[in-house]
Amino acid sequence: GAVVSQHPSWVICKSGTSVKIECRSLDFQATTMFWYRQFPKQSLMLMATSNEGSKATYEQGVEKDKFLINHASLTLSTLTVTSAHPEDSSFYICSANQGPYNSPLHFGNGTRLTVT
Amino acid sequence: DAKTTQPPSMDCAEGRAANLPCNHSTISGNEYVYWYRQIHSQGPQYIIHGLKNNETNEMASLIITEDRKSSTLILPHATLRDTAVYYCIVKATGGGNKLTFGTGTQLKVEL
Repeated sequence: GAVVSQHPSWVICKSGTSVKIECRSLDFQATTMFWYRQFPKQSLMLMATSNEGSKATYEQGVEKDKFLINHASLTLSTLTVTSAHPEDSSFYICSANQGPYNSPLHFGNGTRLTVT
Repeated sequence: DAKTTQPPSMDCAEGRAANLPCNHSTISGNEYVYWYRQIHSQGPQYIIHGLKNNETNEMASLIITEDRKSSTLILPHATLRDTAVYYCIVKATGGGNKLTFGTGTQLKVEL
């Protein structure tokens, strides 16, 4: 089955630094990937839609200059949290769609970010 | 996309069937019903989806009522590893593939 891989699975960084999270579709090509964020005991919140070869589409309230998304190839999207602060500590999850409009999304196993 | 309503939590004995309900009374004709689950500290896992017919795969069965206003996910023989948050999501065929997650049902499978 389709596999989506995220790296790293966890990261600790100091306040003010930037962190890059990678999302790869291992056995299929994905023109679109999605980035979600999940705070403890809450549901997943969609942050942005990553489009291969073009700019990402951000959900309302998500700062595009803080959460930089790059989708340079059909198998890789990256999310960079710039100038991270403790309130950015969260579980970041990416997903990708393998086939037509009604086919299911496949999710990575998430990245736990802790900003100290 | 149509809104869904799920009970916040359910318990189930190991080996018994777990029946998780979902209400989607405002569903429209081109909207599919998807079920995902999220085991603690992992990414969501796709379970099953359907439009109007009942569906079955190796993980579960999906029963959709004739009027499509509600559905039930059935795990036929629940195990401890099925303890997770289960999300019922209704998604239209247009507007891209993004999913909007609600609060889901926390299923706890116990001995």
